[in-house]
Amino acid sequence: KQEVTQIPAALSVPEGENLVLNCSFTDSAIYNLQWFRQDPGKGLTSLLLIQSSQREQTSGRLNASLDKSSGRSTLYIAASQPGDSATYLCAVSGATNKLIFGTGTLLAVQP
Amino acid sequence: KAGVTQTPRYLIKTRGQQVTLSCSPISGHRSVSWYQQTPGQGLQFLFEYFSETQRNKGNFPGRFSGRQFSNSRSEMNVSTLELGDSALYLCASSQSPPQETQYFGPGTRLLVL
Repeated sequence: KQEVTQIPAALSVPEGENLVLNCSFTDSAIYNLQWFRQDPGKGLTSLLLIQSSQREQTSGRLNASLDKSSGRSTLYIAASQPGDSATYLCAVSGATNKLIFGTGTLLAVQP
Repeated sequence: KAGVTQTPRYLIKTRGQQVTLSCSPISGHRSVSWYQQTPGQGLQFLFEYFSETQRNKGNFPGRFSGRQFSNSRSEMNVSTLELGDSALYLCASSQSPPQETQYFGPGTRLLVL
């Protein structure tokens, strides 16, 4: 049974700092991994999708990497801003379209 | 393109009632999935519909059901509501799963009293 874990559960950093969020999964037979952000009481916003054959994806200040063999992904946020404050979720999908989510990392960027 | 829309955004029901939630996917998307989000259990998969057929189902009781129409819009129904059904219900749409990005709607906040 696939299980997804995110570390740390919460993180507080000063504005401008670079940071890394971690995601690990137990079954390497995934089709893709997706990173989302969720603002309080809102839906999920897709940030990056990494196919199982890819090693990384970049979008602006965000870079996500995937090491399928070790069951790990990292989300790197450069030059963090207060607007980056949110909960960040990673999710994996296998042969079906079912997403299995981690428990999230609550990020607070202090001005 | 318009994003995924969900109606209603908020609902208050009492135990024993039933509720229907609606989801309109992004134009051209044929897959719609539903998720339940609670503080204790996080995000859990309910079911997925593709071209009006349920393709996958999560571990929820039969009180939770859904359907998809020919225009890809989907509805989710919960019968005999329980207090534990209070949650944020999210739907997601995508083009050609499972390789494609899934886009989520804003959710329907259901409170069962």
